[in-house]
Amino acid sequence: NAGVTQTPKFQVLKTGQSMTLQCAQDMNHEYMSWYRQDPGMGLRLIHYSVGAGITDQGEVPNGYNVSRSTTEDFPLRLLSAAPSQTSVYFCASSTVRGGGARSYEQYFGPGTRLTVT
Amino acid sequence: DQQVKQNSPSLSVQEGRISILNCDYTNSMFDYFLWYKKYPAEGPTFLISISSIKDKNEDGRFTVFLNKSAKHLSLHIVPSQPGDSAVYFCAATYSGAGSYQLTFGKGTKLSVIP
Repeated sequence: NAGVTQTPKFQVLKTGQSMTLQCAQDMNHEYMSWYRQDPGMGLRLIHYSVGAGITDQGEVPNGYNVSRSTTEDFPLRLLSAAPSQTSVYFCASSTVRGGGARSYEQYFGPGTRLTVT
Repeated sequence: DQQVKQNSPSLSVQEGRISILNCDYTNSMFDYFLWYKKYPAEGPTFLISISSIKDKNEDGRFTVFLNKSAKHLSLHIVPSQPGDSAVYFCAATYSGAGSYQLTFGKGTKLSVIP
């Protein structure tokens, strides 16, 4: 049981380049999300998904796209990278079962450190 | 508008003493609160949580207190150990239908001095 995995660990992009950050989980969690962490800013939600085929925007969605074709995978796409997107990106997942079995705890991946020059 | 606030960016404590990390929130709909711990170059890991129907939850050396009237919660670590040195994030959510998002504070960096 690997939990939440993210690739790559590090990435350097030039302004205007595109790339996809990969995230996968093997816990059969319905909810997946992407955060960015910047110094002094905490964790800010970019996009999230409550199941395959369903995505929605978080607090800071501009410049990012997501899709969810399977329960396991939730890739984050940067279509045209900008220096303002230099950050550490975390993917997280949790279950959304209702009632007493619901867990609010999110499990985080190890992060991707992205630098845009 | 920041809905979850951790007003102390950093805290230093001697080993063996108590560490108290504070968190304030503004959204009255929040009814479930979590603390996460983060080491450098790793993802945040869940530490402890509390529901709004309680005012205290303990797990070993970690205790979270919730004061709903003041919209304030605190994390107590007793005794503090050097391995507790990390960034601690407070997070909040509400249990309404369709609500899954966590709102995080900016974090407090705890340094436990041997």
